[in-house]
Amino acid sequence: ETGVTQTPRHLVMGMTNKKSLKCEQHLGHNAMYWYKQSAKKPLELMFVYNFKEQTENNSVPSRFSPECPNSSHLFLHLHTLQPEDSALYLCASSRGTSGETQYFGPGTRLLVL
Amino acid sequence: EDQVTQSPEALRLQEGESSSLNCSYTVSGLRGLFWYRQDPGKGPEFLFTLYSAGEEKEKERLKATLTKKESFLHITAPKPEDSATYLCAVQAGEYGNKLVFGAGTILRVKS
Repeated sequence: ETGVTQTPRHLVMGMTNKKSLKCEQHLGHNAMYWYKQSAKKPLELMFVYNFKEQTENNSVPSRFSPECPNSSHLFLHLHTLQPEDSALYLCASSRGTSGETQYFGPGTRLLVL
Repeated sequence: EDQVTQSPEALRLQEGESSSLNCSYTVSGLRGLFWYRQDPGKGPEFLFTLYSAGEEKEKERLKATLTKKESFLHITAPKPEDSATYLCAVQAGEYGNKLVFGAGTILRVKS
């Protein structure tokens, strides 16, 4: 498999559930990102990891918890979400964090009921 | 604060009708401007990176240009398969890889 993959592609969860989103990149990159894309709004950067270390947290609520066990895998753990958290969650990767192009996965469409 | 504004919000073209999309930006120290294409239900697909004013890049029917204040994505003789949302993003500042995105232009090409 090539590029950036994300699972699941679709997720419906209640406000009291706990779920996790998974991202895997097969590009040999060292940096990985989580973005949120809500309807009619620009993509918003959530987290940046470089060589497994978190380098940016864009004031994201603690109900979103990222985990990066290695440079190829990135998780986003979700708990006690709100309906306004419903969105497309996109993972991206890049070779480094010095201006390199970011390549995106297909996204996970999340609906919080 | 870094800002990116894309216009128009939506554009309808007939097949073969050339046009341009605009991305204007206000940043402190532009390090790169990126164009992506996004199809419904999919992630953004990388198109171009531009680094300095005067730079141009082409790919099939698409041509991206950059000035000190804005970028244009020119679409020549578009086809229905060019229908998508086109996203512009800028990277600014001395370090880091943070992208600031515009809201996008939704392009529909009718045959």
